[in-house]
Amino acid sequence: DQQVKQNSPSLSVQEGRISILNCDYTNSMFDYFLWYKKYPAEGPTFLISISSIKDKNEDGRFTVFLNKSAKHLSLHIVPSQPGDSAVYFCAASAYNYGQNFVFGPGTRLSVLP
Amino acid sequence: EAGVAQSPRYKIIEKRQSVAFWCNPISGHATLYWYQQILGQGPKLLIQFQNNGVVDDSQLPKDRFSAERLKGVDSTLKIQPAKLEDSAVYLCASSTTAGLHTDTQYFGPGTRLTVL
Repeated sequence: DQQVKQNSPSLSVQEGRISILNCDYTNSMFDYFLWYKKYPAEGPTFLISISSIKDKNEDGRFTVFLNKSAKHLSLHIVPSQPGDSAVYFCAASAYNYGQNFVFGPGTRLSVLP
Repeated sequence: EAGVAQSPRYKIIEKRQSVAFWCNPISGHATLYWYQQILGQGPKLLIQFQNNGVVDDSQLPKDRFSAERLKGVDSTLKIQPAKLEDSAVYLCASSTTAGLHTDTQYFGPGTRLTVL
């Protein structure tokens, strides 16, 4: 029973274009969402987060959008760079879950030069 | 600031053998987590410590997995006996003392376990 879904296992984008990674969740109790990036042989690193009281959060080239009614969030990377090639995990947490992050299965992004 | 350290980085064992992983969190981080990441899946929380006390071990297979965090700093995760389905990357993470569900978790590089 996957509470956090990333339905695209992989995505390829040309350098300089926009990358859009999608995430859907089923548990309406989730109120905090994060994106982590993972390079091979390294642990996941925090990228950006958003609280359910917002619908957008921006940090440089990275923007996360949250649509609570659709239980959907997306990560936009503009412009995409070859160094962005990695696996991106969406994660969610809820106040009554303590600090338990529930992760999606990840989307592998390849940015082509 | 030094990150989360884990060792070993790789381990290959035969089924029914035992194995142990070690984690040293970021200095000053009171909360420590162990995750299991099976190939093609996201990390799944196994156990969470706050200082040296267990906060959540609901997804830890306690018949074969054990973890401890003596003195509230380093932690070890043990599997005994290992099964084929335990092949995964074991990730350790830590976060600050705030104890909030919005705390950023910082991950180590992981230990890749292969059970033959």
